[in-house]
Amino acid sequence: QSALTQPASVSGSPGQSITISCTGTSSDVGGYKYVSWYQQHPGKAPKLMIYDVSNRHSGDSNRFSGSKSGNTASLTISGLQAEDEADYYCSSYTSSSTYVFGTGTKVTVL
Amino acid sequence: QVQLQESGPGLVKPSETLSLTCTVSGDSISTYYWSWIRQPPGKGLEYIGYINYSGSTNYNPSLKSRVTISVDTSKNQFSLKLSSVTAADTAVYYCARDLRPTAYYYMDVWGKGTTVAVSS
Repeated sequence: QSALTQPASVSGSPGQSITISCTGTSSDVGGYKYVSWYQQHPGKAPKLMIYDVSNRHSGDSNRFSGSKSGNTASLTISGLQAEDEADYYCSSYTSSSTYVFGTGTKVTVL
Repeated sequence: QVQLQESGPGLVKPSETLSLTCTVSGDSISTYYWSWIRQPPGKGLEYIGYINYSGSTNYNPSLKSRVTISVDTSKNQFSLKLSSVTAADTAVYYCARDLRPTAYYYMDVWGKGTTVAVSS
């Protein structure tokens, strides 16, 4: 199974909105509603932010939202804040009953 | 509050077997599925595989020939063995709770991770 494709980096100024894409195939992203997004700060474990394409994990900020169209899922961060600077990974359930992660996107707050 | 803690040797010699254990507290290991994920230095996350409460497993095809995941329900632990390791297996290894077999397919709780280096 090949990693899902994400842009290597995305940047934005405080208060702006940014969107991270996650492209897979019909055997993963396109075939299931089970796309999730994880935030990872340096030296820390990944933290679940979004599950089932667009559902926010309990307690997480409503500035994070998810969507999907065909084989591509997206994570949008609105009202960008300094604390949002981190690596972000998408993940999808696959036809092999396992998961596959995206290549990861480094978000920089300018 | 559910917590996961990885443990095991931080250094493994090439060609030997890497062995890690994940201890689950605050939840019964007989409830959900349990996964292993790894992250090489400076690189992205790679899914290794999972085990469920009954001992059924499924592995990433790229690692399948070298991976074994097992569960010890009496100790509320599950384990990872990776054989014939090389320097490419150097990574931070995470264990995580997978909410299957409920209607939710994602990993919601992760351990802090443990670093394993492969070197002679």
